[in-house]
Amino acid sequence: EPEVTQTPSHQVTQMGQEVILRCVPISNHLYFYWYRQILGQKVEFLVSFYNNEISEKSEIFDDQFSVERPDGSNFTLKIRSTKLEDSAMYFCASSEAGGPPTYNEQFFGPGTRLTVL
Amino acid sequence: AQKITQTQPGMFVQEKEAVTLDCTYDTSDQSYGLFWYKQPSSGEMIFLIYQGSYDEQNATEGRYSLNFQKARKSTNLVISASQLGDSAMYFCAMREGTGGNQGGKLIFGQGTELSVKP
Repeated sequence: EPEVTQTPSHQVTQMGQEVILRCVPISNHLYFYWYRQILGQKVEFLVSFYNNEISEKSEIFDDQFSVERPDGSNFTLKIRSTKLEDSAMYFCASSEAGGPPTYNEQFFGPGTRLTVL
Repeated sequence: AQKITQTQPGMFVQEKEAVTLDCTYDTSDQSYGLFWYKQPSSGEMIFLIYQGSYDEQNATEGRYSLNFQKARKSTNLVISASQLGDSAMYFCAMREGTGGNQGGKLIFGQGTELSVKP
């Protein structure tokens, strides 16, 4: 069964460093998403991406964040200068299409746990 | 205002019993989708079940079913015949109607931690 994959599973970095989180969405999917979950809290939307551009972004997704689809398979989230509060689980997700009324499940990857020291 | 509200931070259920996890939502859209995800201690997000705003029947998927009450804006998850492996965090989420290619983000509730007792 096709699945979303993410690498690395765990990333430890020093405050102020740049990190790149990588995702490989399901191959025939068109919409890509990043979410984050701070430990013990709810899952929060960061950004959605379609047709090689950002569709929507949240208030969390400030200038320190960027996304890219550098080739036909990878989807990356870059944090330019990490802060302590960026420590969280970051989930990538993909779907065939964007939203209702047609049912389109978002398939989540296993997540990357980012720890900023 | 909270878009998705899960009022039960934690729930206990005896193995083989049924349990209901509550979720209410707030939207002015006519077209929206409601999702439930399970997050075990390992951290992954596992899709369980979906209900569309125009669906007239309550969704069912194996031991999972939804009690969808549109007028009350609630979509409670019912897990029948609980198993020890059902112990996990459960998140309710909503995707509001989108125009064009907006991308259909999911808005999550705070989650309910379910513990199944042997």
